[in-house]
Amino acid sequence: NAGVMQNPRHLVRRRGQEARLRCSPMKGHSHVYWYRQLPEEGLKFMVYLQKENIIDESGMPKERFSAEFPKEGPSILRIQQVVRGDSAAYFCASSTSGTDTGELFFGEGSRLTVL
Amino acid sequence: AQKVTQAQTEISVVEKEDVTLDCVYETRDTTYYLFWYKQPPSGELVFLIRRNSFDEQNEISGRYSWNFQKSTSSFNFTITASQVVDSAVYFCALRNINDYKLSFGAGTTVTVRA
Repeated sequence: NAGVMQNPRHLVRRRGQEARLRCSPMKGHSHVYWYRQLPEEGLKFMVYLQKENIIDESGMPKERFSAEFPKEGPSILRIQQVVRGDSAAYFCASSTSGTDTGELFFGEGSRLTVL
Repeated sequence: AQKVTQAQTEISVVEKEDVTLDCVYETRDTTYYLFWYKQPPSGELVFLIRRNSFDEQNEISGRYSWNFQKSTSSFNFTITASQVVDSAVYFCALRNINDYKLSFGAGTTVTVRA
C-alpha cells in the first residue's frame, strides 16, 4: 500500500521559470493538503483540496501560486515566475476526510531551489 | 487562533543521554489533537504520536515518552538513552478537532554525538 507520493523530490529552477510539483495521495484518500516549509521553519498550511474542488486556499500566496486536484491524476501545485523566496520544501499530505480522527499522511516532500 | 511554540532551537547531547523537547501550545478550542513529527536529515516527515486533548495519560513507546499537561498547555517529548539515529528535527503540531489544518512549531534540531 503505497504512501503519499510526491515528485520531483528535488527541483531546480531559475528565477522567472515555472515549477510544477505533483502529489499522488494514498489509495482511498480523496483529501489533499499542501504545506510549505521555509528554511529553518516549521511547516505552514497552504491549501486544502478535494477532487476537482479547492476547499481552502487561505495559506496560498495570492499571486503566482495555484493548485488543482483533477478528477483523474495527481494534485498539482504550480508556481509561476518563481523567485528566490519560493525556495522551500513543499509537502503534500492526504486523508480520508477533512476532519477525521486520524493523522495526516505526509509525502517525502519536494525541495524547490530557485537560482 | 492557535500557536505552537518550541522554545529550544537546537539541542546537542552525547549518545545515551536523555533529551527532553519542550512544546507549549495555545488554542481557544477545548478539544484538539497534538502531534509530534520527526524530520531526519533525509527530509521526510515521520509521524511519531497523536494525543487527544481529553486524554492526559502519558505515553511511552520504546525509548520515546510524552508528557501531556493540559494545565500548562504543554506536550513535552523525551528520548531516553539517545542514539545517533535520533539526530533529526522534531516538530510539535496542533490541530483543533473540527479543523483540518495543522499548526506546527518551528522545530527543535537534536544532534546526538557518538
